[in-house]
Amino acid sequence: RKEVEQDPGPFNVPEGATVAFNCTYSNSASQSFFWYRQDCRKEPKLLMSVYSSGNEDGRFTAQLNRASQYISLLIRDSKLSDSATYLCVPVSGGYNKLIFGAGTRLAVHP
Amino acid sequence: GAGVSQSPSNKVTEKGKDVELRCDPISGHTALYWYRQRLGQGLEFLIYFQGNSAPDKSGLPSDRFSAERTGESVSTLTIQRTQQEDSAVYLCASSLSGRAGNEQFFGPGTRLTVL
Repeated sequence: RKEVEQDPGPFNVPEGATVAFNCTYSNSASQSFFWYRQDCRKEPKLLMSVYSSGNEDGRFTAQLNRASQYISLLIRDSKLSDSATYLCVPVSGGYNKLIFGAGTRLAVHP
Repeated sequence: GAGVSQSPSNKVTEKGKDVELRCDPISGHTALYWYRQRLGQGLEFLIYFQGNSAPDKSGLPSDRFSAERTGESVSTLTIQRTQQEDSAVYLCASSLSGRAGNEQFFGPGTRLTVL
């Protein structure tokens, strides 16, 4: 089983739509999680950190289900600028080692 | 303030040549990481530095790959006798410390093409 599994997409949604991505992880010891976004041919940038059951930041909500070992990202009122690849990142190991999934691609159209 | 910088931004080399990639982390960041991203794939962890020591180099794919770091500043990733499968974007990141949960800030990457 891969350490991180995400639906690669692409998710094609109209502006204003609500979209959700799921991510499953295999290491039950992971305590911290990140969602990074990566624009085409750019470096990843942190979108959101998740340390407990979830986190909310504006239009973005992350939820963590430790029992089932999955984490989700919900985007409300999608904007064209949300088009990117979203990377689910559990933190493994005793230090800040990030394990990246291949990401889920989102395309928001007018 | 200045972010993580990497050089060169692009490197084209011939198979069998050695290449050296450079990373300048954010000033004051003690932890530094190298990743590789092949086209259409996720990031693969290569090596982690805490200061100038590398407690985890488990991601280096072969002994052709090596890295070093000077103090808590610049790091270089060296690939010897490059192969076509080494073609990828090499990303460097730094964080304030190596403590789990610290945000990692990424540089723009070096795009390596091996002909």
